[in-house]
Amino acid sequence: GAGVSQSPRYKVAKRGQDVALRCDPISGHVSLFWYQQALGQGPEFLTYFQNEAQLDKSGLPSDRFFAERPEGSVSTLKIQRTQQEDSAVYLCASSLGDRDGYTFGSGTRLTVV
Amino acid sequence: QQQVKQSPQSLIVQKGGISIINCAYENTAFDYFPWYQQFPGKGPALLIAIRPDVSEKKEGRFTISFNKSAKQFSLHIMDSQPGDSATYFCAASKRSTDKLIFGTGTRLQVFP
Repeated sequence: GAGVSQSPRYKVAKRGQDVALRCDPISGHVSLFWYQQALGQGPEFLTYFQNEAQLDKSGLPSDRFFAERPEGSVSTLKIQRTQQEDSAVYLCASSLGDRDGYTFGSGTRLTVV
Repeated sequence: QQQVKQSPQSLIVQKGGISIINCAYENTAFDYFPWYQQFPGKGPALLIAIRPDVSEKKEGRFTISFNKSAKQFSLHIMDSQPGDSATYFCAASKRSTDKLIFGTGTRLQVFP
């Protein structure tokens, strides 16, 4: 596709439920990022992949958060035992490796009730 | 620890006026300073970016001014239009990593 695709667009989870968020980057983009954007705030870095290698996971808030990109293309962000504070928009971005070439998806809005 | 501070939080401008948003950073290792525009329900989109070897960059109605000694940079939107109404984020990153550190955002409203 022409852009970064994220699914689902909206997810409502009961507290304690596990969720999986999907990101389809632009074809050929080697770099993939996940960000978390709380309501009224700027995006905050979660994790970074170069191809299938997870090079930086310093932003993951707890061990309940896990990300993978097994074939260097599609990535999944998994959140186990969701908590209310996990409610946010989760943004995925991809690039060829050039910082000017960052393209964000429209995000997945997660609401934990 | 907020590494990039952005102001104002919100801004109301008349059509045709100049919108100015300011950011300050702390980490002198930052070497890339982009501005992103975000519409409701969409992801941020790159508007314009600057590197610290220049003091100003202009693209159409959008200009970044950069002051390395003061560790500040700003976005100027000339001839503001209602279609510019959106949330604007400054950001910064350093060469060793591509991750972006974002400011808290400025909600711009341009009235006709």
